[in-house]
Amino acid sequence: GAVVSQHPSWVICKSGTSVKIECRSLDFQATTMFWYRQFPKQSLMLMATSNEGSKATYEQGVEKDKFLINHASLTLSTLTVTSAHPEDSSFYICSAPKVYGYTFGSGTRLTVV
Amino acid sequence: QKEVEQDPGPLSVPEGAIVSLNCTYSNSAFQYFMWYRQYSRKGPELLMYTYSSGNKEDGRFTAQVDKSSKYISLFIRDSQPSDSATYLCAMSSFSGGYNKLIFGAGTRLAVHP
Repeated sequence: GAVVSQHPSWVICKSGTSVKIECRSLDFQATTMFWYRQFPKQSLMLMATSNEGSKATYEQGVEKDKFLINHASLTLSTLTVTSAHPEDSSFYICSAPKVYGYTFGSGTRLTVV
Repeated sequence: QKEVEQDPGPLSVPEGAIVSLNCTYSNSAFQYFMWYRQYSRKGPELLMYTYSSGNKEDGRFTAQVDKSSKYISLFIRDSQPSDSATYLCAMSSFSGGYNKLIFGAGTRLAVHP
C-alpha cells in the first residue's frame, strides 16, 4: 500500500520551455508531498514541501517562480519547471509520508537541450 | 558540518559477505531513522524504519540505532548481487506534523559474484 505514481519517468525538452511532473497517491490521501532533486551520484536535496490547498514551502535557494508546485487535491501534486535551462537537467522525485516512513515516486529524469 | 554524515563509498564486497553501512548525525532532535535502497534511476525504496535505540531485524537486514552516540547502522547478511545499489540513511524530527527527511550522501554498494 501507500503507492505514489510519478509521471513522466523521463522527459527531454528544449531550453525555454516548461515541463510538468505529476505525482499521484494511488491508494491513500497525501496531504503533504515533498519534492526532491538529485544530481548524479549525489543524495536527494529537498526543494519544497507542498500541502493540499495551501502554498508550497520552498527550501532556501530554490526559486519558487521557476519551480511551480501545485497541490490542488489530496491525490495529486505537480511540479512545473518553467523556462527550463540545461542546468535544470536532473532527477526529480516526489515523496509522501505514510504511517511508517515515507514513500517515494519512481522519479523523473529531465534533460533540457 | 552536515547534519547527517555518510561515507559515499563505493563499497565492493563478495557475494555472501556481511555488509555494514553507517551514518552519524549531529541533531539530537532526530527521532525517526530510516534506511532506503535506491537502484540507478529509480526512486528510493524504504528498507527499515526505527524510532528507538536498539536493533530491528527484517530478514537479512538489521538496523541499529544508538542515540547516545548519534550513530545508526544497517547490516546486510548473506549479501547478494541484487543488493547492489545505493543505500541512503535518512532521519527526521517530530514537531506535530510531517517533517522533512534529512538524507545522508548515500553509500554505493557493489556485491560481486
